Amino acid sequence: LAKTTQPISMDSYEGQEVNITCSHNNIATNDYITWYQQFPSQGPRFIIQGYKTKVTNEVASLFIPADRKSSTLSLPRVSLSDTAVYYCLVGGDTGRRALTFGSGTRLQVQP
Amino acid sequence: DSGVTQTPKHLITATGQRVTLRCSPRSGDLSVYWYQQSLDQGLQFLIQYYNGEERAKGNILERFSAQQFPDLHSELNLSSLELGDSALYFCASSVELAGADTQYFGPGTRLTVL
Repeated sequence: LAKTTQPISMDSYEGQEVNITCSHNNIATNDYITWYQQFPSQGPRFIIQGYKTKVTNEVASLFIPADRKSSTLSLPRVSLSDTAVYYCLVGGDTGRRALTFGSGTRLQVQP
Repeated sequence: DSGVTQTPKHLITATGQRVTLRCSPRSGDLSVYWYQQSLDQGLQFLIQYYNGEERAKGNILERFSAQQFPDLHSELNLSSLELGDSALYFCASSVELAGADTQYFGPGTRLTVL
């Protein structure tokens, strides 16, 4: 199983760009990297997914270097509503492998 | 709204008891996943079902069991409950078997064991 490591917490201010890095040194060839956002007492919500290089959608960007041993979630111009826990998930397409969420990064956005 | 429903929302019971949590996946999704989240803890994967068959197992205790029915809804059974089983239990569903699939999470069931 690909184990992930993320910072426990991060602080930012409204309007700033936030970058959260996830380390996954033993990622397998067929593993994808997925990020989820979770608010207190709610189920996680999908943010973005990638395999290599860069992926961008309407809410975030995901940067994956060539060796794929880490990934960085980039949130442009955060607002107070972005205060949440962000999880990095590494999983493959075999279906039989147990899925493991990272420890999560608690992002606190201040005015 | 993710389209995944879970019942009940809250459950309060005593130690030693048995409870059943229910999950209905999004329409068309064949995979169902169960997760446990204790207070201020990360999500712990318990078990995955695909089209009625068990596909992956995580840190699920022997006191816990699950199944997925022909109509694709799933139930998580927790027995001989202990205080430490108090947690949020989330169900998620996805379309395909692949682990790279996007999982859609339900609102969760909050279990309190007294």
